[in-house]
Amino acid sequence: QQQVKQSPQSLIVQKGGISIINCAYENTAFDYFPWYQQFPGKGPALLIAIRPDVSGKKEGRFTISFNKSAKQFSLHIMDSQPGDSATYFCAAIRDQTGANNLFFGTGTRLTVIP
Amino acid sequence: DVKVTQSSRYLVKRTGEKVFLECVQDMDHENMFWYRQDPGLGLRLIYFSYDVKMKEKGDIPEGYSVSREKKERFSLILESASTNQTSMYLCASSWGGTANTEAFFGQGTRLTVV
Repeated sequence: QQQVKQSPQSLIVQKGGISIINCAYENTAFDYFPWYQQFPGKGPALLIAIRPDVSGKKEGRFTISFNKSAKQFSLHIMDSQPGDSATYFCAAIRDQTGANNLFFGTGTRLTVIP
Repeated sequence: DVKVTQSSRYLVKRTGEKVFLECVQDMDHENMFWYRQDPGLGLRLIYFSYDVKMKEKGDIPEGYSVSREKKERFSLILESASTNQTSMYLCASSWGGTANTEAFFGQGTRLTVV
């Protein structure tokens, strides 16, 4: 069973537009939500992360919005650029030892058209 | 900076060969992960380890085994490589037990089985 559901699977945005990727989870034990960015041929790298005690976080053109009651969170990329073209993964982490505590969404392939 | 190093970027092996993929991290992380990434299927967890000699099966462990004899090193073993194991393999590590700690990825190994 997929612990974190991510949509859309792919996204095409014009340069300068806003890219929005959505994720949802069920397990209320999750308490940390990172987003990863992966360029072709590379490993995923942390982009931005949020804890559920805040409703949003902004770092440059990247913003996470978080709705704890709905168990949903989203990545917004403002003023999208061709260099943002990559695959984006959301993730959820729970505080747990001795077992896997990290769960990924299925990824969104973003293409920004010049 | 955290560094997760995978021993090979590209690997070509023959069907039936025993294949070793090595991963080393330099941050004294408790948790280490092996993922497989295929187009449209996201990151699928093969095995997870939370301590030396401790391991847990992930979503797709069939045809794979792992070894963790030292904290910093986590090896993925394909006992008898098959063409359907052609894929990108990603290793990751993270602190154990505590949330608010994201995983760090290696650069990936592109394995082709012919």
